[in-house]
Amino acid sequence: DAMVIQNPRYQVTQFGKPVTLSCSQTLNHNVMYWYQQKSSQAPKLLFHYYDKDFNNEADTPDNFQSRRPNTSFCFLDIRSPGLGDAAMYLCATSRDLTGGETQYFGPGTRLLVL
Amino acid sequence: TQLLEQSPQFLSIQEGENLTVYCNSSSVFSSLQWYRQEPGEGPVLLVTVVTGGEVKKLKRLTFQFGDARKDSSLHITAAQPGDTGLYLCAGRGNYGQNFVFGPGTRLSVLP
Repeated sequence: DAMVIQNPRYQVTQFGKPVTLSCSQTLNHNVMYWYQQKSSQAPKLLFHYYDKDFNNEADTPDNFQSRRPNTSFCFLDIRSPGLGDAAMYLCATSRDLTGGETQYFGPGTRLLVL
Repeated sequence: TQLLEQSPQFLSIQEGENLTVYCNSSSVFSSLQWYRQEPGEGPVLLVTVVTGGEVKKLKRLTFQFGDARKDSSLHITAAQPGDTGLYLCAGRGNYGQNFVFGPGTRLSVLP
């Protein structure tokens, strides 16, 4: 089945130790998104790629970076995780940026920072 | 800035009851999606509505998009414990605009 895959499902890191979360998709969608979701809150958009074009949200901390080496894969790099970065990280895709397009989510990676 | 509000924020009902949750905005959206999210999992798409006044049914779930495309409702008939979860609505405006999420309605259906 076509889908959005995130690995790992659970990630434990230490305060200040860089960590990378990965996302892959078999939908061949042009757009890939990274969201941060904290407990009992709605997902918060960090950034998205339209093809190779990177679009950062204005309030996304510099500590968060992303790479998209090809259509299928997108990575979220947290350079120096702090305790406040513990959250669920969700990857999503959409075919295009047109208003009527649907967004599909992966299962998420839950990050724990010790 | 586009904002989405959802109500109620929390809802606890008995199995077999009917319920309606709402998603409202002062902005117009090109499309609106409803998702259900269980703890520790990503949001799962339930429906996308794109036409003002549109009604879509998914088994016991009925979704309606407001005529002005500013609001939507989700009605569940004969709720079951498996319906328990966080219901999120997300809307997108014009081309290039990001999705905007509502804060969610947390539903608990008690057996």
